[in-house]
Amino acid sequence: GQQLNQSPQSMFIQEGEDVSMNCTSSSIFNTWLWYKQEPGEGPVLLIALYKAGELTSNGRLTAQFGITRKDSFLNISASIPSDVGIYFCAGQLPGTASKLTFGTGTRLQVTL
Amino acid sequence: DGGITQSPKYLFRKEGQNVTLSCEQNLNHDAMYWYRQDPGQGLRLIYYSQIVNDFQKGDIAEGYSVSREKKESFPLTVTSAQKNPTAFYLCASSTWSPLRGEQYFGPGTRLTVT
Repeated sequence: GQQLNQSPQSMFIQEGEDVSMNCTSSSIFNTWLWYKQEPGEGPVLLIALYKAGELTSNGRLTAQFGITRKDSFLNISASIPSDVGIYFCAGQLPGTASKLTFGTGTRLQVTL
Repeated sequence: DGGITQSPKYLFRKEGQNVTLSCEQNLNHDAMYWYRQDPGQGLRLIYYSQIVNDFQKGDIAEGYSVSREKKESFPLTVTSAQKNPTAFYLCASSTWSPLRGEQYFGPGTRLTVT
């Protein structure tokens, strides 16, 4: 099955820094979703995007649905230690109803 | 509280034994999914079900089986035919919609086969 290209694979940042990660594909998606997974737990939905160009915020998190519908970006501002985890993007291809294609994840580490 | 429960959290089995992982949801979602996650990897779809008494193979269905007799429940059996069953298994559910793709995940079951 297809997977999305997510980058970077991992990030080591200091508390207070801003973070940016992205997901790209050669295919067009109807929906982009961003999840966070903490060790040993299931992914938690952070943000859902439905329209090309859409920009949505959830607290310190901001995500955008790329205008070409082939990419998405997630930004985290003023990172804190509890932001540590793996961030996954997921996309819904046209005609696949609620089936999702997942990115390979960005592992975020925050140091004090 | 609405949500998805998976049990047990940790499961240990001997090679050659079948094992069934439980997944229950009370979100009134039509669709349910099983994913496998290996260390440092993304999520790979094993099986999914859009409605009761119907399910479809995902990308890595070999060695697994499922049933969907009730809307709330979607158990996964890892059979002895699965060559590398040790992994973290995640269940998810969603409405079945071409417009809204959000899936909600359970806490996962870590299966170790020795």
